[in-house]
Amino acid sequence: DAGVIQSPRHEVTEMGQEVTLRCKLISGHNSLFWYRQTMMRGLELLIYFNNNVPIDDSGMPEDRFSAKMPNASFSTLKIQPSEPRDSAVYFCASSFGGRPEAFFGQGTRLTVV
Amino acid sequence: QKEVEQNSGPLSVPEGAIASLNCTYSDRGSQSFFWYRQYSGKSPELIMFIYSNGDKEDGRFTAQLNKASQYVSLLIRDSQPSDSATYLCAVLNTGGFKTIFGAGTRLFVKA
Repeated sequence: DAGVIQSPRHEVTEMGQEVTLRCKLISGHNSLFWYRQTMMRGLELLIYFNNNVPIDDSGMPEDRFSAKMPNASFSTLKIQPSEPRDSAVYFCASSFGGRPEAFFGQGTRLTVV
Repeated sequence: QKEVEQNSGPLSVPEGAIASLNCTYSDRGSQSFFWYRQYSGKSPELIMFIYSNGDKEDGRFTAQLNKASQYVSLLIRDSQPSDSATYLCAVLNTGGFKTIFGAGTRLFVKA
């Protein structure tokens, strides 16, 4: 069974551009988490969905960040406009049936220049 | 005070030794605790979870939980160079849906 799939794996963009990160959940999982990881701040939870509904977005740093889950298996995280301080590795993770253990995708390394 | 605290390390142990990784947490109502391993440039991978006080063993790994002291630890027996990675302690908050990660402890196992 395929794991959590993220795309792209690497993204380099110029400041001010829109960036869209994509995530496909493990089949049957109903919870989706977006994390951001930097050396300075470690792994931070940005937003959590359960059954396609955003439950907690308190970690989303600014209005420039938005996340959607248009169906049960897919999510996007959008940054518009992007800034150099958004440079980080963004992970998507999913879990099943209320079990808290999360399975992570391979991450998207975002560099904003 | 950080919600989940870990010594950043690096922790260096010789091959075959026991590596002991520690974590404290601030949310007294937390009920679920996890250890993730993250190799450089890779994603976190769940290796252990524990919900009850005491020890939980899985192969060379033992997770220990003491809720009264708000303390979680991970022991790795017979450490191997392939165990060299960053180990992230994670705690599920009282609300039951927000997992807070510690900053991680870097472990080096010397051959």
